[in-house]
Formats: sequence, C-alpha cells, structure tokens
Amino acid sequence: DADVTQTPRNRITKTGKRIMLECSQTKGHDRMYWYRQDPGLGLRLIYYSFDVKDINKGEISDGYSVSRQAQAKFSLSLESAIPNQTALYFCATSDAASQGQFFGPGTRLTVL
Amino acid sequence: GNSVTQMEGPVTLSEEAFLTINCTYTATGYPSLFWYVQYPGEGLQLLLKATKADDKGSNKGFEATYRKETTSFHLEKGSVQVSDSAVYFCALSESGGSNYKLTFGKGTLLTVNP
Repeated sequence: DADVTQTPRNRITKTGKRIMLECSQTKGHDRMYWYRQDPGLGLRLIYYSFDVKDINKGEISDGYSVSRQAQAKFSLSLESAIPNQTALYFCATSDAASQGQFFGPGTRLTVL
Repeated sequence: GNSVTQMEGPVTLSEEAFLTINCTYTATGYPSLFWYVQYPGEGLQLLLKATKADDKGSNKGFEATYRKETTSFHLEKGSVQVSDSAVYFCALSESGGSNYKLTFGKGTLLTVNP
C-alpha cells in the first residue's frame, strides 16, 4: 500500500465551487506539505505544517486554505475555485530523520 | 531568496547515451541539494541528495556532486535506458536538514529512445 495517498486523483469542477483535496500518510511523519505543479513552472509550495497545531503559508497560499486534522491527515481547500487553479496538486511528508520529502501520487484538478 | 535553475528541456537521447542535466542554485548559507524524478502519471521520488560541499549523491547509476564554488549540482548518468524517461527536478532546502521546505527548479523532461 502507498505510504502517502491523495483523494481524489482527478477532479473536474466549475468556477465558484468549493473543493477539498485530502492527503493521508502512514509514514508516521510529523511534517506535511501541499504543492502545486504547473507545466514549465515546477512545483510551488502552497502550505506546510510541522505538526497538528502548526500551519504555515508557502509562496502561493492566496485562494487556498488547509486543515491538519491529525498527524496523518492534511487537507487542502479551495473556497471558491477559479480556472487558474487548474493544476496538479501534490502532498508530501517528511520528518527530522527522513531523507528528503515523500510525495503522494497527485490530484489533477480542472476548474472550468 | 532561494532559486534553482536547471537546463531547459526536453532532452532526447538514444539508449546507452551519456546524460547531463545542469542545475545551478542561489541560496544563503549552506543548503542541502536534491534531485527528484517524476515518472509519467506518478508523484515525485527522491533520486539522490547531497548535504555539504563536495558530497556526491548517487543512486540507480545517477550521480551529482555538490559544487559550492560553482553553486552547481549537475545530474549525470553514463548510460541511460528507456526506463529513465521521466521529468527530473533539481531542488534545494535552505535548512541544514533534508526535510524542510524545498525550492524546485522547473523540471527537465528526458526522453530515451531505444
């Protein structure tokens, strides 16, 4: 079974809709991250959390919010989706001893 | 701020060719450096890392050496295979550890033909 899972894997929605992307991990890591990938732009950090009570903005947090419901769960919400939020979204995890960050398989979101 | 610049793609090679993907960085202090690989339809996987100057990271035949004097971390492989076709990302972490937030390059698409 995958250590970092994301649901849904694909989602098509309409402008103005509220969307939640979910991430779960079984690695026991305390640190979790949400990234966005756009063609030609690489990955950009949206939010990150170092434990359940810690939430930090990344470089492109506008239009997004997150919730760290438990150590193993980190959700990303788009309160009112817009077309330029169409992208591939990745969740990642790490801890103080891990060798780099571990990524989920991604969620492809299309906003029409 | 921190930044990572990697060579523009796409890169197309024949099987068994030599591969180099250039990566240079700008950062304060002494960052850790990484190469990640993304196979089609999958998430990113850590390929190799180096945490201090002159360290060489290696994995699956790939190598990269942390060159502080040229602020570079070029990825090399002596003989590529079709299965190496993927997008490769260079990244840095500004903290001393390997787990803090990462700054990524834009990625380089590699296609290896049989």
